Amino acid sequence: DAKTTQPPSMDCAEGRAANLPCNHSTISGNEYVYWYRQIHSQGPQYIIHGLKNNETNEMASLIITEDRKSSTLILPHATLRDTAVYYCIVRAIYNTDKLIFGTGTRLQVFP
Amino acid sequence: DAGVIQSPRHEVTEMGQEVTLRCKPISGHDYLFWYRQTMMRGLELLIYFNNNVPIDDSGMPEDRFSAKMPNASFSTLKIQPSEPRDSAVYFCASSITGGAGGELFFGEGSRLTVL
Repeated sequence: DAKTTQPPSMDCAEGRAANLPCNHSTISGNEYVYWYRQIHSQGPQYIIHGLKNNETNEMASLIITEDRKSSTLILPHATLRDTAVYYCIVRAIYNTDKLIFGTGTRLQVFP
Repeated sequence: DAGVIQSPRHEVTEMGQEVTLRCKPISGHDYLFWYRQTMMRGLELLIYFNNNVPIDDSGMPEDRFSAKMPNASFSTLKIQPSEPRDSAVYFCASSITGGAGGELFFGEGSRLTVL
């Protein structure tokens, strides 16, 4: 699976959009981009995933560049409860279900 | 749905003792994963099962660690003998599909402290 690069930390004001970037320049055509988050002391939680089209669900939006070498997770209206570590993971379609977590981005939402 | 259930939530033991962590996956899920999380190494995949069969145990640190899945609704991770460096939070996760849509559902973790 391709490697991902994320900034170690980011801040965001409550109520503003949080835009979390992820680089995956070696991604191949059969690999999806997944986002999970981990709130302190809890297990990781699935947020969203995509292949090449932009995706949106009740939690977030995922924007994938046309060349698929990077993506951005958008939390449209961040709240204090969104403070967490956010993991961007690339996984091949044909691969097994295992997910390999990197170091992620620690998002701090402040009042 | 109760989600993935792990027990115990907290375990404090002394070096050399046997530790058994338990996991009940979500009913109907056919994949089960054991992860370990420490400050130094982050989240590490230890082993995972498909239909109760171990598929990849390359992340198991050493022979002191063993995992079993005797049926679709139960798995154990055993450490014998335990060492202080095994102190970590151990997460169990399950998923239902083998394809790209296979979201993993995590339990709340078992925090192990080995003195």
